[in-house]
Amino acid sequence: DQQVKQNSPSLSVQEGRISILNCDYTNSMFDYFLWYKKYPAEGPTFLISISSIKDKNEDGRFTVFLNKSAKHLSLHIVPSQPGDSAVYFCAASGSGAGSYQLTFGKGTKLSVIP
Amino acid sequence: DTAVSQTPKYLVTQMGNDKSIKCEQNLGHDTMYWYKQDSKKFLKIMFSYNNKELIINETVPNRFSPKSPDKAHLNLHINSLELGDSAVYFCASSQDAGLAADTQYFGPGTRLTVL
Repeated sequence: DQQVKQNSPSLSVQEGRISILNCDYTNSMFDYFLWYKKYPAEGPTFLISISSIKDKNEDGRFTVFLNKSAKHLSLHIVPSQPGDSAVYFCAASGSGAGSYQLTFGKGTKLSVIP
Repeated sequence: DTAVSQTPKYLVTQMGNDKSIKCEQNLGHDTMYWYKQDSKKFLKIMFSYNNKELIINETVPNRFSPKSPDKAHLNLHINSLELGDSAVYFCASSQDAGLAADTQYFGPGTRLTVL
């Protein structure tokens, strides 16, 4: 069962425009969410995270929005740059001892067109 | 200077063989992990290892066993390899497994192909 879903396998965006990547989750025990970015032949690298006590977290061009009632989060990249082209994974975890394991979505491949 | 390294990067072997993948982290982290990314691209946790406490994902066959000679290393041993074991295996580490907020740092992955 997919507890973390990224329903769009791919997304193409023009350079300079906004990229919006979406993620849905089903487990109501999840309360910490992360986005990882992965280039080919490399491991995932941490991008940005959000705790369930917040609905928005911003870091430069990257903003993550969390809608707990809808069990939905999104990653906004503004403005998009060609170097942002990568696979983006949404991940979630619970809190407290023993709940630190991350559950990943399937990833969305973002292509930013120059 | 690589934070989390894995060797080898590629591993091609025959069914039935036994193989190991090595992982080292130089971040001083307390917890290390192994993930499997299968052909459907899901990244799934296999093991986490913290201060000699091993948490095993119950779906992982017992042919897979992690071995930690010290805090900086978590190697993955696989016995009697099967075709379905073909995947990319990622090692990761984090500072303290007790905190869900700890960022995990990933190695570059090892692509295992079983023929």
